[in-house]
Amino acid sequence: GAVVSQHPSWVICKSGTSVKIECRSLDFQATTMFWYRQFPKQSLMLMATSNEGSKATYEQGVEKDKFLINHASLTLSTLTVTSAHPEDSSFYICSARPRPEAFFGQGTRLTVV
Amino acid sequence: GQQVMQIPQYQHVQEGEDFTTYCNSSTTLSNIQWYKQRPGGHPVFLIQLVKSGEVKKQKRLTFQFGEAKKNSSLHITATQTTDVGTYFCAGESGGGADGLTFGKGTHLIIQP
Repeated sequence: GAVVSQHPSWVICKSGTSVKIECRSLDFQATTMFWYRQFPKQSLMLMATSNEGSKATYEQGVEKDKFLINHASLTLSTLTVTSAHPEDSSFYICSARPRPEAFFGQGTRLTVV
Repeated sequence: GQQVMQIPQYQHVQEGEDFTTYCNSSTTLSNIQWYKQRPGGHPVFLIQLVKSGEVKKQKRLTFQFGEAKKNSSLHITATQTTDVGTYFCAGESGGGADGLTFGKGTHLIIQP
């Protein structure tokens, strides 16, 4: 099956700093990737759709200036949480759909202290 | 926008009992997918249903897609401890690269 690799798997940062999360498709090219946020015991909330070579499409209520998405190549999308605050602490997961089903990265657990 | 409702949110069962989770969409779906997320892990694809009234089986798991293509269910027969996790349905209305709309998931807790 297709492999999506996400890094880092966990990160702790200080309030006010920025954190970059990488999502790579290892054995396929992804013109589109998806970024989700998941709170404990909650569902996956789609934050944005990352499009290679163009601007990301953000879901309603997601601040695009806070969650910067870059999709500069067909195998890499990055999510940068800027000026992170404790309320940004969450589990962030990326996915891609080279076939009808979605393949997810391992997820990144972000803790802002 | 499209909404996918999933119930129950939590289900406690004794090992060996059956388990069912239900999904209902506010709009007609082109397909519905099911995923399993183990505690601390990421969602893993289980199956996709496309046809009206479709039923698919994977060992002890039975998946159904309603005639109107707006609802679906996942039934597990004789649960085992390895079945523990959260089961998500995810619906799609169009065909293409749109993101899936996930249900809230059903957390399956199994007591030995």
